[in-house]
Amino acid sequence: DVKVTQSSRYLVKRTGEKVFLECVQDMDHENMFWYRQDPGLGLRLIYFSYDVKMKEKGDIPEGYSVSREKKERFSLILESASTNQTSMYLCASSRPGTGGVYGYTFGSGTRLTVV
Amino acid sequence: DAKTTQPTSMDCAEGRAANLPCNHSTISGNEYVYWYRQIHSQGPQYIIHGLKNNETNEMASLIITEDRKSSTLILPHATLRDTAVYYCIVREQGGSEKLVFGKGMKLTVNP
Repeated sequence: DVKVTQSSRYLVKRTGEKVFLECVQDMDHENMFWYRQDPGLGLRLIYFSYDVKMKEKGDIPEGYSVSREKKERFSLILESASTNQTSMYLCASSRPGTGGVYGYTFGSGTRLTVV
Repeated sequence: DAKTTQPTSMDCAEGRAANLPCNHSTISGNEYVYWYRQIHSQGPQYIIHGLKNNETNEMASLIITEDRKSSTLILPHATLRDTAVYYCIVREQGGSEKLVFGKGMKLTVNP
């Protein structure tokens, strides 16, 4: 019954590497979101997308980019990974207009470590 | 910035009702109150939302004060599996689709 799937649960990358975090949802939701979560800081929005090929910056977009070529897939890209991007990354989706009857649906998260 | 204020943490005995408070004194007329929770190592999970009236579903009840400046999430019979961080969020219906999460409140249910 998994609805939002993040490709990796744990990931270790080297400084300077280009990193792709993938998120797929099977609920035909228009909206998709990428958050990062750090101790003491809560969840912070990186980027979101209302539709295919559309994207908008969230609160902390620096060092990140996104791609949404298909409705069901939203990718987060770290162009050149740095140690301060070590974090838990969470993807979410929703249907527009109501936040979804059941709000956002989140994936289980990807814990990224940059060494 | 998050528009809500919650206590940092709260304890509750298993089997008792857990009443989780949230202040949202600057809430506007078209903003809904949403509650999510995050169990350790999982993504946040939607619980309930409401505008003015009290709401109840299979997970919880939401009581919103008449002036809408605060609300309470009630877990009627807390279990150990309700131990989580609970987030109270206000969001404009029909406006931005973003949810702004604050730091939430850690609820610990004790045996």
